[in-house]
Amino acid sequence: DTEVTQTPKHLVMGMTNKKSLKCEQHMGHRAMYWYKQKAKKPPELMFVYSYEKLSINESVPSRFSPECPNSSLLNLHLHALQPEDSALYLCASSQDGGNQPQHFGDGTRLSIL
Amino acid sequence: GESVGLHLPTLSVQEGDNSIINCAYSNSASDYFIWYKQESGKGPQFIIDIRSNMDKRQGQRVTVLLNKTVKHLSLQIAATQPGDSAVYFCAENGDSWGKLQFGAGTQVVVTP
Repeated sequence: DTEVTQTPKHLVMGMTNKKSLKCEQHMGHRAMYWYKQKAKKPPELMFVYSYEKLSINESVPSRFSPECPNSSLLNLHLHALQPEDSALYLCASSQDGGNQPQHFGDGTRLSIL
Repeated sequence: GESVGLHLPTLSVQEGDNSIINCAYSNSASDYFIWYKQESGKGPQFIIDIRSNMDKRQGQRVTVLLNKTVKHLSLQIAATQPGDSAVYFCAENGDSWGKLQFGAGTQVVVTP
């Protein structure tokens, strides 16, 4: 079991739907991350939050909107996604974002119809 | 741009043998490296990390070696077990604080 919990585990949505992915950690970490992973590829960084502030946005389309309500929670709001956005979305956290291990959840498998 | 890469996409290993997974990196400024294991249907799991002021670090059944001269990183797994079958990723700290840059991954298949 991981210490980073992601919900839901699977999500199927249409291109006009609005949904949210959720991530929670209780390790006291102050940096949290969203990654996108396509099949047989490495994770690709999307966003980094440090001390609840967005510090990195890797030129992600605006149909993905991150939110960090507090130090334990990270959301990814989805709207008007495209079929190519189907992927595994991984959340990770680390102590404060420096040179430390990032700990990953098991992801949300997202399918866009 | 600079990247982290792996020499072998698939590695077949007999159970009980030692495994060596290699990774080349090109950013000489990188000073932190990490190995992850990803099993099917799971997120990447931290295995071991190493900083550039070290050339070797050992964990439980795993050893990471760092050769800064040739920009090479390797993960050695002793007495490979069926549960070691997974995709292994190396990663280095990227060009921004908090950013990890992942290599392409190596599929390790353990055969009986």
